[in-house]
Amino acid sequence: GQNIDQPTEMTATEGAIVQINCTYQTSGFNGLFWYQQHAGEAPTFLSYNVLDGLEEKGRFSSFLSRSKGYSYLLLKELQMKDSASYLCAVRDAGLTGGGNKLTFGTGTQLKVEL
Amino acid sequence: GAVVSQHPSWVICKSGTSVKIECRSLDFQATTMFWYRQFPKQSLMLMATSNEGSKATYEQGVEKDKFLINHASLTLSTLTVTSAHPEDSSFYICSATSAARTTYEQYFGPGTRLTVT
Repeated sequence: GQNIDQPTEMTATEGAIVQINCTYQTSGFNGLFWYQQHAGEAPTFLSYNVLDGLEEKGRFSSFLSRSKGYSYLLLKELQMKDSASYLCAVRDAGLTGGGNKLTFGTGTQLKVEL
Repeated sequence: GAVVSQHPSWVICKSGTSVKIECRSLDFQATTMFWYRQFPKQSLMLMATSNEGSKATYEQGVEKDKFLINHASLTLSTLTVTSAHPEDSSFYICSATSAARTTYEQYFGPGTRLTVT
């Protein structure tokens, strides 16, 4: 089975840096995704980590430690539009769906304030 | 590229009726499509996985006779909620992957909000 944990809510200030953590315990692992989702909209892809280490993409960075079952999403220079839910998702190592089955965490609702 | 559409974007139906939701990949052939359900302030829960031309694989606890999935072509999958009840009211989201593109990324549709009265 899959167990993925994220904080439920976080609040940060515009211009600041925020780190959203995700821990997972899964029966199989083939990569970890971060998605951003605004209310009432579909998730949008932010990052994908399959090897240990940090992946940087503009204001967003994502880190993975497979041995610790841990990932974080780092958002820099926060903007008001970054207020959204951030979903951590683990890609299954199985064959269902061509090996692309995702299990999502509960999501972290980030609120950016002035 | 990699655009997925859903129709309708929202629907209201009466209890006991059936509702069909379409998911289309507009500019690529979707090898696999996934259907998720999301309740307010909760995360996405995978309902089923469908591959073109074969039966869908349902997640544990999802009634296959209630949530009928058809993936008749490489660009279209449909989810039919049969005999809908108020507890089926939710946000339904589909996603698709393509063997011709980066195989690991799922491209999400905009979602369909279903309200059963």
